[in-house]
Amino acid sequence: QSALTQPPSASGSPGQSVTISCTGTNSDVGGYNYVSWYQQHPGKAPKLLIYEVSKRPSGVPDRFYGSKSGNTASLTVSGLQAEDEGDIYCSSYAGRNNWVFGGGTKLTVL
Amino acid sequence: QVQLVQSGAEVKKPGASVKVSCKAVGYTFTSYNMHWVRQAPGQGLEWMGIIFPSGGGTYYAQKFQGRVTVTRDTSASTVYMELSSLRSEDTAVYYCARDSGSGRYSFNYWGQGTPVAVSS
Repeated sequence: QSALTQPPSASGSPGQSVTISCTGTNSDVGGYNYVSWYQQHPGKAPKLLIYEVSKRPSGVPDRFYGSKSGNTASLTVSGLQAEDEGDIYCSSYAGRNNWVFGGGTKLTVL
Repeated sequence: QVQLVQSGAEVKKPGASVKVSCKAVGYTFTSYNMHWVRQAPGQGLEWMGIIFPSGGGTYYAQKFQGRVTVTRDTSASTVYMELSSLRSEDTAVYYCARDSGSGRYSFNYWGQGTPVAVSS
């Protein structure tokens, strides 16, 4: 199972929007509506931002928006804030009780 | 409140095995599946496997088949991950992560991570 493809970096100024892509295959991203996104700050455990492509857990601001088209999922962060800086990972269910992560994107707030 | 409390850091020699524990607190242990995810230094997240605490069934990523064993002790609300035949490339932080449940196929609670260093 190959890792999902994410851009290594993304950036934006405070208040701007940034979109991070996550590309997989028909066997994972394209085959299931089970894409999730995680934020990780240095030295900390990841935190769930989005599940089932576009649903937000309680407590996650609506500035975080998830979507999917074909084999590519996307996370859009609008109204960028300093605390949004960190590493972002996508994950997808890949069938037969297997999951796969993306390589991660370093999000920088300029 | 939900917490996953992992065991402490480990240092192992190549060829040895390591066993990491993850104690679940604040919810019914058998109601949520548990995953193991690792992160090598400066690298991304890597899914290793899942255990279904209610029946003990497991599934592992193909990469770790034959080297990883995940078990659980329901009386202690604890899941264990044992990785054998360690090599330097296994140096990483190992996380347990609780499945979100209800068919959401995501990880909504994470342990604090257990650093494992493999060095001769």
